[in-house]
Amino acid sequence: GNSVTQMEGPVTLSEEAFLTINCTYTATGYPSLFWYVQYPGEGLQLLLKATKADDKGSNKGFEATYRKETTSFHLEKGSVQVSDSAVYFCALSAGSSNTGKLIFGQGTTLQVKP
Amino acid sequence: DVKVTQSSRYLVKRTGEKVFLECVQDMDHENMFWYRQDPGLGLRLIYFSYDVKMKEKGDIPEGYSVSREKKERFSLILESASTNQTSMYLCASSTSGHGDIQYFGAGTRLSVL
Repeated sequence: GNSVTQMEGPVTLSEEAFLTINCTYTATGYPSLFWYVQYPGEGLQLLLKATKADDKGSNKGFEATYRKETTSFHLEKGSVQVSDSAVYFCALSAGSSNTGKLIFGQGTTLQVKP
Repeated sequence: DVKVTQSSRYLVKRTGEKVFLECVQDMDHENMFWYRQDPGLGLRLIYFSYDVKMKEKGDIPEGYSVSREKKERFSLILESASTNQTSMYLCASSTSGHGDIQYFGAGTRLSVL
């Protein structure tokens, strides 16, 4: 079945460090891929998405490229800020149906220290 | 802006109580979802609804039921709350297209004592 695997956290970085959060997936068909972010005390919000192979999603300095050959969608940012401290979820759409269901990874907590 | 509103941020209930969690969205979305979020487990889908009065079980429906009488409102019901239902509950909505964005409420943190 469809699944998403993220690197385990927490990830602790100093401000201005480079960030990578790994995400790999297993899916049938051609899923869309997403990164959501959850700031403390809030619900999830979309960070970026990609709908087909080789697409790059980007937002707020974050980027992720849909790599079908490696079934990956790693999240990167060149220089993190304290305000980026949050939980990050990788997700995929559930294939051929039109129900809009998403399958989420377990989440990776990022803590950025000044 | 899309708004998904969950009726309570925090709830404390006793074992055996019937609990209602309410969710309202203002964007005329067809789909609505209930998830629970637990540390290390990510988000797990409890139920979703793709139209009024229509519902489907998600991955962990046991001990829960749902109601969708109006398009904008989706309720999660714990028929007889148990301590293992202590969790963060998140509601979301989306349009019906494949790969469409889900919009989330702020969550309800439920404690069952």
